[in-house]
Amino acid sequence: AQTVTQSQPEMSVQEAETVTLSCTYDTSESDYYLFWYKQPPSRQMILVIRQEAYKQQNATENRFSVNFQKAAKSFSLKISDSQLGDAAMYFCAYRSWNTDKLIFGTGTRLQVFP
Amino acid sequence: NAGVTQTPKFRVLKTGQSMTLLCAQDMNHEYMYWYRQDPGMGLRLIHYSVGEGTTAKGEVPDGYNVSRLKKQNFLLGLESAAPSQTSVYFCASSPDGAYEQYFGPGTRLTVT
Repeated sequence: AQTVTQSQPEMSVQEAETVTLSCTYDTSESDYYLFWYKQPPSRQMILVIRQEAYKQQNATENRFSVNFQKAAKSFSLKISDSQLGDAAMYFCAYRSWNTDKLIFGTGTRLQVFP
Repeated sequence: NAGVTQTPKFRVLKTGQSMTLLCAQDMNHEYMYWYRQDPGMGLRLIHYSVGEGTTAKGEVPDGYNVSRLKKQNFLLGLESAAPSQTSVYFCASSPDGAYEQYFGPGTRLTVT
């Protein structure tokens, strides 16, 4: 069975600085999808970024980018120019190509200090 | 376009009571999901549906039932609530399993 591990329960960053959140996963499959979701205090889960395993190029969405290392089964999220509004729980998630289910990690709480 | 809505937002139940959580989406999505979120455990899939009239078990289905009689609605039922079901429940929908899931705002359920 696939598993997703986020080893950093909490992280903090100064406003305008860069922070990287770690995620590793365990799978024997070669085709899959990876996601980062943000959950602010409002509880609403919001997709931050998505990566298809068959794509070698790392996904980027404005200030958010990933470092996808398929061989190492690592999928870290880099937030550049951190803003106060980035403070939230961040969840890494995995989906196999042939199932309809997301497997979530336990989350990393990010604090942003002015 | 409201996206995914959940009713109610908060609920307190006594042990043994029953209730139904309603999830509605107006995006014409085929796939719908119910998750529970507990501290330190992330989100865990309870049940899901890949289309109207279909349901399937997720990771933690025991004590819950679901129905998808209409494409836009996905109901989660608790027949006899237990304190272990105290949690925040999220509904999500997706156009198909490959795309992102769109989440509702969650329902905080407390069972005393």
